[in-house]
Amino acid sequence: GAVVSQHPSWVICKSGTSVKIECRSLDFQATTMFWYRQFPKQSLMLMATSNEGSKATYEQGVEKDKFLINHASLTLSTLTVTSAHPEDSSFYICSATPPAPYEQYFGPGTRLTVT
Amino acid sequence: GQQLNQSPQSMFIQEGEDVSMNCTSSSIFNTWLWYKQDPGEGPVLLIALYKAGELTSNGRLTAQFGITRKDSFLNISASIPSDVGIYFCAGQTLQGGSEKLVFGKGTKLTVNP
Repeated sequence: GAVVSQHPSWVICKSGTSVKIECRSLDFQATTMFWYRQFPKQSLMLMATSNEGSKATYEQGVEKDKFLINHASLTLSTLTVTSAHPEDSSFYICSATPPAPYEQYFGPGTRLTVT
Repeated sequence: GQQLNQSPQSMFIQEGEDVSMNCTSSSIFNTWLWYKQDPGEGPVLLIALYKAGELTSNGRLTAQFGITRKDSFLNISASIPSDVGIYFCAGQTLQGGSEKLVFGKGTKLTVNP
C-alpha cells in the first residue's frame, strides 16, 4: 500500500514554456500533498504544502506565481512550472500523507530539464 | 530555521560489515523517519519512530528515537550490495497546520562486494 506516482518521469522543455507535473496517490486518499525540489547531490527542499480544495502554502523564497499548485481531489495534485528557465531544471518530487498514520510517502520524482 | 545534522556524509564499507549513521537537531520533533533514496528515484520510507526512546527494527535495519526527541540513529547490520544509496533522516513537526518534514543532508553509502 501507500503508493504514489508521478507523471511524467522526465521532461525537457524550452525556456519560456510551462510544464505540468502530476502527483497521484494510487491506493489511499491523501489529506495533504507536498512538493519538493532536489538539486544534484543535495537534500530535499520543501517547496509547498497543499490540502485538497484549498490554496497551497508556499515555503519562504518559493514564488507562488511561478510554481502553481492545484490539489483538485484527494488523489491528485499538480505542479505547473510557468515560464520555465534553465535555473528551474531540477528533480521535483511529491509526497502524500494518508489520514493515518501521518507518514509521507514519496513519488518517484520528475526530472525537469529546461533548455 | 530547523536543521538536522546528519553524519557521516559518506561511508565506504565492505559487504557484511555493520553500518551506523545518526542525526541530531537543536529542535524537538514529533516523529523521526529514515528514508533511502536510489539515484533518480524518490525516497523510500524505511522506518518511522513516534515515541521518545523508541527502538524499532525492519529486517536488518534498526533505528532509535532519542529520549530528548532531538536525535536518532540508524544501524544496518550485515550490509549487502543493494544497501548502496543515500540515506536521509527526517524530522516531522507541525508547522502552519501541516505535518512537515525537515531533512538531513544525507549519508551516501557505498558497499564493496
